[in-house]
Amino acid sequence: GNSVTQMEGPVTLSEEAFLTINCTYTATGYPSLFWYVQYPGEGLQLLLKATKADDKGSNKGFEATYRKETTSFHLEKGSVQVSDSAVYFCALGSRDDKIIFGKGTRLHILP
Amino acid sequence: DGGITQSPKYLFRKEGQNVTLSCEQNLNHDAMYWYRQDPGQGLRLIYYSQIVNDFQKGDIAEGYSVSREKKESFPLTVTSAQKNPTAFYLCASIPTGLNQPQHFGDGTRLSIL
Repeated sequence: GNSVTQMEGPVTLSEEAFLTINCTYTATGYPSLFWYVQYPGEGLQLLLKATKADDKGSNKGFEATYRKETTSFHLEKGSVQVSDSAVYFCALGSRDDKIIFGKGTRLHILP
Repeated sequence: DGGITQSPKYLFRKEGQNVTLSCEQNLNHDAMYWYRQDPGQGLRLIYYSQIVNDFQKGDIAEGYSVSREKKESFPLTVTSAQKNPTAFYLCASIPTGLNQPQHFGDGTRLSIL
């Protein structure tokens, strides 16, 4: 069945460092891929999405490219800020309207 | 602004008591979902509903019940049969169409007294 695997956290970086959070998936067909962000005590917010191979989703300086050949959707940001500290979820859309979520990666940014 | 409203934000349950968590959306979305999130863990699907008056069990439905009498509303009842109900509960909805992202409420944190 469909599944999502993302790197375990926590990930701790200094402000202005380069960020990569790895995400790989297993799926039949051509699902959409998503990154969500969750700030403390809140629900999940859609950060970016990509709907087909080679699409690049981007938002707030974050980027992720849908790589069908490596079944990956890694999240990147060139220069992180303290305000980026949150939990990040990689997710995969399926035909039956269910979303498959990864387990989340907690990110700590130190000033 | 359209969105999903969950209430209350914090809820306390006594042993042997049923409690109901509210989820209302004004996005005109057909499908709605309930997830449970435990500390340091991902989301686990409890129940979902794709149309009014119909719903399906998710991965951890035991000890929970739902109803979907109106398109806008999808309340979740945590029954006394749920022995470990302390968690953060998230409601989500999704618009019609292939591979759309889910929209989430701000969650309800349930604790046991």
